[in-house]
Amino acid sequence: NAGVTQTPKFQVLKTGQSMTLQCAQDMNHEYMSWYRQDPGMGLRLIHYSVGAGITDQGEVPNGYNVSRSTTEDFPLRLLSAAPSQTSVYFCASSLQGSGANVLTFGAGSRLTVL
Amino acid sequence: RKEVEQDPGPFNVPEGATVAFNCTYSNSASQSFFWYRQDCRKEPKLLMSVYSSGNEDGRFTAQLNRASQYISLLIRDSKLSDSATYLCVVTRYNQGGKLIFGQGTELSVKP
Repeated sequence: NAGVTQTPKFQVLKTGQSMTLQCAQDMNHEYMSWYRQDPGMGLRLIHYSVGAGITDQGEVPNGYNVSRSTTEDFPLRLLSAAPSQTSVYFCASSLQGSGANVLTFGAGSRLTVL
Repeated sequence: RKEVEQDPGPFNVPEGATVAFNCTYSNSASQSFFWYRQDCRKEPKLLMSVYSSGNEDGRFTAQLNRASQYISLLIRDSKLSDSATYLCVVTRYNQGGKLIFGQGTELSVKP
């Protein structure tokens, strides 16, 4: 099992550029989410999805879009990158119900916006 | 005030030492509690759940105090391999089970 796969692992963008961080899981997990991690801030939830076709905002959704057309994929789109979006991004998934609290994380995507 | 707060450390301890981390949470509706471990520049991984009666997993003991709204993690006989950042995590089922992470406590175990 591959688990949760994120691409790219590293990316450098210029201010104003757009890009998509990809996330795919092969565990048939209903729940998927995106976090960003900044020094001293812990992990902050950006967007999450409880199933295909359903998405919702987390703590810090501004500047990001998501969609969930399939159970497996949950891409995160940066519409117009800003230096404040320089961060490490983690995608995570879990089962619903009693398994909902055990998140499996991807290896992370390190994004630098110049 | 952050919903989940931890002492960021770093905690520098010698091998064999016992070290304890505390974590406080502000929302009394929090219902589930966990400790995750994160190695440098890697993804977080579940270390253990925290149950109301307290629970142990080898050298690790987790406790929950709902009245005072804090959880703790005790590591006995520290190993070099325990060096990592420990993340306190809570969930609230009235918000779709979203996990709220503390900022993490860094532990460095020295020879």
